[in-house]
Amino acid sequence: DAGVIQSPRHEVTEMGQEVTLRCKPISGHDYLFWYRQTMMRGLELLIYFNNNVPIDDSGMPEDRFSAKMPNASFSTLKIQPSEPRDSAVYFCASSWTRDNEQFFGPGTRLTVL
Amino acid sequence: GESVGLHLPTLSVQEGDNSIINCAYSNSASDYFIWYKQESGKGPQFIIDIRSNMDKRQGQRVTVLLNKTVKHLSLQIAATQPGDSAVYFCAENILPTGRRALTFGSGTRLQVQP
Repeated sequence: DAGVIQSPRHEVTEMGQEVTLRCKPISGHDYLFWYRQTMMRGLELLIYFNNNVPIDDSGMPEDRFSAKMPNASFSTLKIQPSEPRDSAVYFCASSWTRDNEQFFGPGTRLTVL
Repeated sequence: GESVGLHLPTLSVQEGDNSIINCAYSNSASDYFIWYKQESGKGPQFIIDIRSNMDKRQGQRVTVLLNKTVKHLSLQIAATQPGDSAVYFCAENILPTGRRALTFGSGTRLQVQP
């Protein structure tokens, strides 16, 4: 298995633009997690899904952020409109269960100018 | 690559020495713990986990110790190598987890001097 796949690896955009981050979890994993990592706040859980259903989105910063998982092999995290304070590395992770280790993707480095 | 924090605690060790990275957790109900390693430009990578019915668990060159009395977790790395240089995170959870997911600590940077 190729592991968790994220795209793009780097994204530079201007304030106000829509940004879509993509994730393909490891096949067979029932859980998918989106994290944001910044120097100031460290690693933060934004939202996680179980069998494509959002379970806890309490970490989503505000309504500008939305996440979907239309099927077991694909998820998106969208920011609209983007702001400079959204600049961070966004990680996707997946696991077999909520209690097992999570396998992280390489991350998407987002820069909003 | 991405790493966490200008203000991360940093542990500097000589190659070949043993390293001990500490983590304090606040939730006394937590009973599942994981250590992750994050190298520059990469996502966190699982190292080892431990459940609260154990005090110690060993892997390859790594040992995790759990002291539930003082809510303290440590990661010991034997014969530290330059490739061990990274940021190390502890994460905790409560089993069964209900709706709760892993909570990550802020991390410790390990620097291995040749």
